[in-house]
Amino acid sequence: DAGITQSPRHKVTETGTPVTLRCHQTENHRYMYWYRQDPGHGLRLIHYSYGVKDTDKGEVSDGYSVSRSKTEDFLLTLESATSSQTSVYFCAISNKRGSGDQPQHFGDGTRLSIL
Amino acid sequence: QQQVKQSPQSLIVQKGGISIINCAYENTAFDYFPWYQQFPGKGPALLIAIRPDVSEKKEGRFTISFNKSAKQFSLHIMDSQPGDSATYFCAAIVNTGTASKLTFGTGTRLQVTL
Repeated sequence: DAGITQSPRHKVTETGTPVTLRCHQTENHRYMYWYRQDPGHGLRLIHYSYGVKDTDKGEVSDGYSVSRSKTEDFLLTLESATSSQTSVYFCAISNKRGSGDQPQHFGDGTRLSIL
Repeated sequence: QQQVKQSPQSLIVQKGGISIINCAYENTAFDYFPWYQQFPGKGPALLIAIRPDVSEKKEGRFTISFNKSAKQFSLHIMDSQPGDSATYFCAAIVNTGTASKLTFGTGTRLQVTL
């Protein structure tokens, strides 16, 4: 398995509270991604990073922010959590911006429930 | 708007049978088409992938068929086994100026029965 650790693995919190999810990699890969997985939607890209301090928005970025101060860590923050952000969040990494010979490898996810 | 449409949503196949999952896409900028397998509690894992200039790719019991003119591709699992029971996602990759972006289908839950 690719060296990807997501923390926490499970979290329950209340609406309006800030939440930060962490993705840590030991592969020294340049690219890191945050996805959310919801029934009927598959996985959807939230934000991604193409280097330290270099990030960009994905398909469903509203309500989320990210930061990457070190190669190995990519943080996803929900500034004020809403119930619609209840989901399973996956981090992925890849080494090159190639078409497919450098696939994205996924962590095991964080299950976030917002009450 | 779902850019990659996947069907069926769920599939039950007997052991030894053939599982077939279909996907269709609209964006002609997609330039690579991977399939991911996901077990409960785990992240998706790359299973097999194909480039659009290839009509078929086979790896063991898994085969991708690709029809560029129809903008469709499918996964065939031959001799399906109970261990293949998982959720399968088709996906498509487009390269932007900064990264490769994956667009996923909605997933197919496969159950292989004895």
